[in-house]
Amino acid sequence: KNQVEQSPQSLIILEGKNCTLQCNYTVSPFSNLRWYKQDTGRGPVSLTIMTFSENTKSNGRYTATLDADTKQSSLHITASQLSDSASYICVVSASKSSASKIIFGSGTRLSIRP
Amino acid sequence: DGGITQSPKYLFRKEGQNVTLSCEQNLNHDAMYWYRQDPGQGLRLIYYSQIVNDFQKGDIAEGYSVSREKKESFPLTVTSAQKNPTAFYLCASSLQQGTNEKLFFGSGTQLSVL
Repeated sequence: KNQVEQSPQSLIILEGKNCTLQCNYTVSPFSNLRWYKQDTGRGPVSLTIMTFSENTKSNGRYTATLDADTKQSSLHITASQLSDSASYICVVSASKSSASKIIFGSGTRLSIRP
Repeated sequence: DGGITQSPKYLFRKEGQNVTLSCEQNLNHDAMYWYRQDPGQGLRLIYYSQIVNDFQKGDIAEGYSVSREKKESFPLTVTSAQKNPTAFYLCASSLQQGTNEKLFFGSGTQLSVL
């Protein structure tokens, strides 16, 4: 069964600190993995996309990693800011041209405290 | 200002009532999607459409209906057959339908039952 598991479910850190969010998946055959940021009461916004051959990709203070062998990804946030408070959703797509092959994790709720 | 617009932001449904959620995009995207988001769960696909006058059922289509009469519009009707409609509904679009495509989301509609 195609699944995407994220941990932790929620996380609270102080402003300026770093944090790492985890994503494990069992989606097969693998096509790509995206991280989305979702502010409360808003729609998700794409942060990064990782394909099979990519290990690391950065987008400003966000760095995503992918280990296709262990089927794990992480999202590292550096020097956190209050605006980073949001849910971060890991989304894995299977190699089939069908919208039903896009699997969403349940997200990690990140809170940044001043 | 390009984007995807959902309305209303909040909607209340009475017992036995059908309600329609609006989704409009001016991104000239071919594909549009409806997702349902429940607390602690990943987004689940309700319906999607690749082109005008065509749409496909997603994983949880029962109790919902859609139409795609115009490229820009993809309204979702929550019928009285949907017994647990309370959720956050997200509309999305992509340039084409495919698992490599980035999804652009609207700001969502929170539907509650009176």
